[in-house]
Amino acid sequence: NAGVTQTPKFQVLKTGQSMTLQCAQDMNHEYMSWYRQDPGMGLRLIHYSVGAGITDQGEVPNGYNVSRSTTEDFPLRLLSAAPSQTSVYFCASLKGVGGEQFFGPGTRLTVL
Amino acid sequence: GIQVEQSPPDLILQEGANSTLRCNFSDSVNNLQWFHQNPWGQLINLFYIPSGTKQNGRLSATTVATERYSLLYISSSQTTDSGVYFCAGLYSGGGADGLTFGKGTHLIIQP
Repeated sequence: NAGVTQTPKFQVLKTGQSMTLQCAQDMNHEYMSWYRQDPGMGLRLIHYSVGAGITDQGEVPNGYNVSRSTTEDFPLRLLSAAPSQTSVYFCASLKGVGGEQFFGPGTRLTVL
Repeated sequence: GIQVEQSPPDLILQEGANSTLRCNFSDSVNNLQWFHQNPWGQLINLFYIPSGTKQNGRLSATTVATERYSLLYISSSQTTDSGVYFCAGLYSGGGADGLTFGKGTHLIIQP
């Protein structure tokens, strides 16, 4: 199993541009989530999904959209990037309710 | 509120030393996990430990859920143990199936 994969690894955007961060998992996990990590801090939850067609907001959802059309994929969209969205983004999948989470390698995003 | 607090924030040790990292968590946080973020930014699962004690090589962890704390023990430290150690718990109050992270312990092992 590849586990949780993310693309791209690095991205530079200009203010106002849009882009999609891709996340996929091959473990047949129902739960997937997106986090951001800012310097010197732990991760904060952006959005999460408990299954295909179901998404909800986490702690810091503003400026981000998600959708979940399949069990495997959970893309994160930035519609109009802002410098405050410069961060490292991690995708995770969850083995079961209240279970262990597994993280992807991260995407380092810079917004100029 | 939701709280996951880690101590110490920074720790510098010589190779071969032992260390204990602590994580205190509030009533609404459960299902503790420990992660190691290596210098390349990768998050590595160390332990999923809602309660009890687990060991994996030189690392072990203990969670006492009734007293709301967890400890991570690193014995005979190696330079490859350097990085940031995070504890995180599942917040059970708002329905979000996501983890609440502490701010981490930055560990430096010197040769």
